[in-house]
Amino acid sequence: KQEVTQIPAALSVPEGENLVLNCSFTDSAIYNLQWFRQDPGKGLTSLLLIQSSQREQTSGRLNASLDKSSGRSTLYIAASQPGDSATYLCAVRTGGSRLTFGEGTQLTVNP
Amino acid sequence: GAGVSQTPSNKVTEKGKYVELRCDPISGHTALYWYRQSLGQGPEFLIYFQGTGAADDSGLPNDRFFAVRPEGSVSTLKIQRTERGDSAVYLCASSFSGGANEQFFGPGTRLTVL
Repeated sequence: KQEVTQIPAALSVPEGENLVLNCSFTDSAIYNLQWFRQDPGKGLTSLLLIQSSQREQTSGRLNASLDKSSGRSTLYIAASQPGDSATYLCAVRTGGSRLTFGEGTQLTVNP
Repeated sequence: GAGVSQTPSNKVTEKGKYVELRCDPISGHTALYWYRQSLGQGPEFLIYFQGTGAADDSGLPNDRFFAVRPEGSVSTLKIQRTERGDSAVYLCASSFSGGANEQFFGPGTRLTVL
C-alpha cells in the first residue's frame, strides 16, 4: 500500500527566504506526482505535475524535483512571500487513477 | 464556469439522515473523482468515474456511501444514515480522460453531522 510522508509538518519563515518542502513515498512504481496548495477552508490548487519520466518541473518561483528510485520529491519555493502562506500537499498516482496524499506542510511566511 | 464546482458548500445534518453532495466537473473532462478530507489530514480517495461508470469504488468506506454519474458529467455522492464520523470536507476532482492526467479540484463541501 502506497504511503506518502511530508516533512516538515509545519514551517515558519521570514519573507524573502528560499525554502524546501519534502515529500517521500514508499512505492516507487508511480505514474506521476502532483504538488497542491490549499488555503484555509478552500479546495486544492494544482501547482505542478511531474510525470514519472521527468526529473523536475518549474513554474515561476516554484520548482519541483522527482527522484523516483529513492521515493522522494522536493518543492523549492524561491524568494518566499506572505501570500505563499498555505498548506502544501504532495500526491502520487500509483495504480489506477487515484491519488495518494501526504498530510501536508503548513507554511507561514512572515512579513 | 471554468473550474470544478460543488454544492452545497456547507451541509449540516443530524445523525441518521440522508445527504446528497453534488459535483459539476470541468466541461469535457471524462474522469471524475471523489475524495474525503478530515481535519488536519490529506484527502483520501473514495471513488473514480470514467464516463458514466465507476471504474474504481474501492475507497468507499462502507455500503452507506454511494455515488452516481448517470450522464457522464454531473456526479452525486450519496450518504445514508449519516454518522458523526462522516463529518469531513468532501472534495471532487476531474481530469481529461483519467490516467496520468492532472486532476483539478473543486472547493469542496463541508459536511457536519451533529
